[in-house]
Amino acid sequence: GAVVSQHPSWVICKSGTSVKIECRSLDFQATTMFWYRQFPKQSLMLMATSNEGSKATYEQGVEKDKFLINHASLTLSTLTVTSAHPEDSSFYICSASYPGQYNEQFFGPGTRLTVL
Amino acid sequence: QKEVEQDPGPLSVPEGAIVSLNCTYSNSAFQYFMWYRQYSRKGPELLMYTYSSGNKEDGRFTAQVDKSSKYISLFIRDSQPSDSATYLCAMSAIKAAGNKLTFGGGTRVLVKP
Repeated sequence: GAVVSQHPSWVICKSGTSVKIECRSLDFQATTMFWYRQFPKQSLMLMATSNEGSKATYEQGVEKDKFLINHASLTLSTLTVTSAHPEDSSFYICSASYPGQYNEQFFGPGTRLTVL
Repeated sequence: QKEVEQDPGPLSVPEGAIVSLNCTYSNSAFQYFMWYRQYSRKGPELLMYTYSSGNKEDGRFTAQVDKSSKYISLFIRDSQPSDSATYLCAMSAIKAAGNKLTFGGGTRVLVKP
């Protein structure tokens, strides 16, 4: 149980285009999902907390107009990188809070974004 | 100073040895402690979850928490080459669904056959 998927796993796009990344909890409902960014050989950096049916809460320094997050259902959250530029190239990972005793976070496999 | 400190490694051990990993932290409010394993270009996988101080064992993995010293450890017995990965400690002050995790920087482990 507690499986989280992401799609796509790898995407290449041209500068100026928008890219949507999906995060799904496959076997549980998640009221809260999180979006992280990870640079090579570095730890995870939390970008935003996504709650079903409400606006996402962004961490300081994260541009909410550039990284649009939608959590329309209890099993799906999406991250849209708008007008992507090469500096947005990174590994994006989502996690979902499992509704158990401790609300553990389970992570998706990640999406590698390359902006040309 | 970071809230959670973790030696980046790499930590190289021969197959079958015990791998010893640790993190120190400064925020005394942390009560929930996790260890994740992350293979290259993959998402982190939850290995162990402990609450407050004490030990927890699961197969070859043992997690220890010493809140008085603000120090947590993960031991991997009978290490295998497949254990080669980056290990991240994480912690939080609350267990609610919206709890943010504070991560250590990760320790890269290499288990040599």
